[in-house]
Amino acid sequence: NAGVTQTPKFQVLKTGQSMTLQCAQDMNHEYMSWYRQDPGMGLRLIHYSVGAGITDQGEVPNGYNVSRSTTEDFPLRLLSAAPSQTSVYFCASSYDDEQFFGPGTRLTVL
Amino acid sequence: GENVEQHPSTLSVQEGDSAVIKCTYSDSASNYFPWYKQELGKGPQLIIDIRSNVGEKKDQRIAVTLNKTAKHFSLHITETQPEDSAVYFCAASKGGSYIPTFGRGTSLIVHP
Repeated sequence: NAGVTQTPKFQVLKTGQSMTLQCAQDMNHEYMSWYRQDPGMGLRLIHYSVGAGITDQGEVPNGYNVSRSTTEDFPLRLLSAAPSQTSVYFCASSYDDEQFFGPGTRLTVL
Repeated sequence: GENVEQHPSTLSVQEGDSAVIKCTYSDSASNYFPWYKQELGKGPQLIIDIRSNVGEKKDQRIAVTLNKTAKHFSLHITETQPEDSAVYFCAASKGGSYIPTFGRGTSLIVHP
């Protein structure tokens, strides 16, 4: 099993550009989530999904959209990137309370 | 909602010493308390967890204790080694919700 995979690993955007961070898991987990990690701020929940077709907002959802059309994939979309969205983004899937994290995407918005 | 406080933010120890990281939580309904280790450039990984029906759990050199009355739990690492150097996160959740609230993390540095 590949576990949780994320692409790209690094990305640089200009303010106002849009992009999609990809996340996929091959463990058939129903729960998936997106976090952002900033220095001194820990892991903050952006959006999460409890199954295909169901998503909900987390602690810091503004500026981000998600959809969940399949169990495997949970992409995160930035519609108009802002410098405040410079961060490291982690996708995770969950089973029996344990979170399985991907390797992360480091995003810089200029 | 749940609020998790974690201390210290940075912890520096000599190899062989013990390290203790402490967390407090606010929601008395929380009953699942995991600890994650994040090595440089990687995603966090679960290293140990405890549920509210248990006061202490050990796994080799690491242990976690829970005091539900005081709403705090701690991670103990004995005989620290350089490979223990990492960022450690505590978290709390209502078991079955699958969405934990994380502390801000502790950067542990073990000097050889």
